[in-house]
Amino acid sequence: SQQGEEDPQALSIQEGENATMNCSYKTSINNLQWYRQNSGRGLVHLILIRSNEREKHSGRLRVTLDTSKKSSSLLITASRAADTASYFCATPWGNQFYFGTGTSLTVIP
Amino acid sequence: NAGVTQTPKFRVLKTGQSMTLLCAQDMNHEYMYWYRQDPGMGLRLIHYSVGEGTTAKGEVPDGYNVSRLKKQNFLLGLESAAPSQTSVYFCASSWGNSGAFFGQGTRLTVV
Repeated sequence: SQQGEEDPQALSIQEGENATMNCSYKTSINNLQWYRQNSGRGLVHLILIRSNEREKHSGRLRVTLDTSKKSSSLLITASRAADTASYFCATPWGNQFYFGTGTSLTVIP
Repeated sequence: NAGVTQTPKFRVLKTGQSMTLLCAQDMNHEYMYWYRQDPGMGLRLIHYSVGEGTTAKGEVPDGYNVSRLKKQNFLLGLESAAPSQTSVYFCASSWGNSGAFFGQGTRLTVV
């Protein structure tokens, strides 16, 4: 399977704290993507990082990529209750996207 | 601009019944996908299409068929539903590998 694996499976933090979640994958990639899924909804694309990039920012999101370790991390700074959701990494492989099992983030107000 | 629309949103089937899930996208995307999401399993790819008239198998294609007769529509069929097909089904579309847009999901229960 080309599936990525997120770590931890679940994370609970206080509002205002930073949240970090990690993704490991198995094969060579040309990009890696992070998605958010609110309860009962579809996935929403957050950010894409290309294989020749090491870090990328978008608002309160910071993504890093280490292709030598086949891993990526997503940092959400100054978390808000509205950030409560599941977060998935996705690795395109050929014409397909493979998703991990996700990190469930709970931000406590 | 509706993005990706799935119908129906909820459905209950009896074992052995058939049904078709419809996915429509208005972004002129070439690629479309059907996933199922089960607790603890993440999203698993059922079938996908890289253009009108093409389909291909994903990770878990057994028990499902698909058709892409029009570029904007991707249909997922269950010919003889089984309780193991109880799941939440998501359709997605994309331009290549640049990022996928998802529908809101169809919650299917097979009893």
